[in-house]
Amino acid sequence: KAGVTQTPRYLIKTRGQQVTLSCSPISGHRSVSWYQQTPGQGLQFLFEYFSETQRNKGNFPGRFSGRQFSNSRSEMNVSTLELGDSALYLCASSLTSGGVYEQYFGPGTRLTVT
Amino acid sequence: SQQGEEDPQALSIQEGENATMNCSYKTSINNLQWYRQNSGRGLVHLILIRSNEREKHSGRLRVTLDTSKKSSSLLITASRAADTASYFCATVDNFNKFYFGSGTKLNVKP
Repeated sequence: KAGVTQTPRYLIKTRGQQVTLSCSPISGHRSVSWYQQTPGQGLQFLFEYFSETQRNKGNFPGRFSGRQFSNSRSEMNVSTLELGDSALYLCASSLTSGGVYEQYFGPGTRLTVT
Repeated sequence: SQQGEEDPQALSIQEGENATMNCSYKTSINNLQWYRQNSGRGLVHLILIRSNEREKHSGRLRVTLDTSKKSSSLLITASRAADTASYFCATVDNFNKFYFGSGTKLNVKP
């Protein structure tokens, strides 16, 4: 089975712009979660989608949004980028929602905001 | 915050030695999971232990969970240079939210 794929792998944006990141889960996985990883804050949960519905949300401002399509692929969008949004954004898929299954992570998208 | 704390933050050992890292958390959990991350890449799931389990093994990995102390430990036996990575514990609460700890950086010297 192919693993979780994320595109693009690297991205450079300037402050004020917006960005869309994409994640394709493992075939058959219906839950997709997004995380932000920075050296200062560590790994922080952004949101989880299951069957096109947002199931859980972390403590991030409304500039961070996401969606999931009927084929379970997911996108996350960050509007009005700030310097502090520079991070590694990780997507993880799981067989189902509920946290009782392990998550499979993609390689991440490294976003740099200048 | 529910976020777990790993201890130590960094650990350096010789190949063949055992490595032990600990994770403490603050509130009730559904399960606890350990992940490994190689330098700036995605995380790899290692092992999941449910709140009603006390110990679990997988190959060279042994995980214990003490819910009364709200702590878990990961033991890697007979470490190899390839085990060099950051190790994270993740707690899953009863609302199915994942909380990752700050990680332990393990360096295994050949």
